Amino acid sequence: GNSVTQMEGPVTLSEEAFLTINCTYTATGYPSLFWYVQYPGEGLQLLLKATKADDKGSNKGFEATYRKETTSFHLEKGSVQVSDSAVYFCALSERSGQAGTALIFGKGTTLSVSS
Amino acid sequence: NAGVTQTPKFQVLKTGQSMTLQCAQDMNHEYMSWYRQDPGMGLRLIHYSVGAGITDQGEVPNGYNVSRSTTEDFPLRLLSAAPSQTSVYFCASSFDRGLNEKLFFGSGTQLSVL
Repeated sequence: GNSVTQMEGPVTLSEEAFLTINCTYTATGYPSLFWYVQYPGEGLQLLLKATKADDKGSNKGFEATYRKETTSFHLEKGSVQVSDSAVYFCALSERSGQAGTALIFGKGTTLSVSS
Repeated sequence: NAGVTQTPKFQVLKTGQSMTLQCAQDMNHEYMSWYRQDPGMGLRLIHYSVGAGITDQGEVPNGYNVSRSTTEDFPLRLLSAAPSQTSVYFCASSFDRGLNEKLFFGSGTQLSVL
């Protein structure tokens, strides 16, 4: 079945450092790909998405490119801030059941940024 | 708008007890779903609904029941709680069932079964 693999955390960085969180996927067909972020004590929020190969999703300085040839969707940010400390989830969408869809999530990567 | 509202935020149950986790959305979303989040496991889909009166099972449905009598509400029922159901539960909704749709999540219910 479809699956998502993320790099193990935690990732610990100093403010203004460069961030990369690796994400690879296994899927039949052409899923849409997502990054969700979970701040402490909150639910998940969509950070960015890409719906087809070579699309680049971007938001709040984060970006990720849908690479079909390497089945990857790595998250990057050029200069992280303390406020970026959170858990980041890579996900893909797939058909579920007769008429639904489901998100398949990676296990999450915890990012901790210190000043 | 309130978005997706879950209650309660915290709950402790004894093995064998039953309870209902409530979820309501005020965005007129057609699609609603329940996920559970366990350490090192990410989020896994329990049940989902594509509209009032229509529900289906996700990846881990055993031990849970759902119903969708209105567009706004999608409660999750635990009929006989087990320690394996200790988890954080998230309700999520989206405008429709499309593969590209953004999911809106509630803030979660932390459940402990003793």
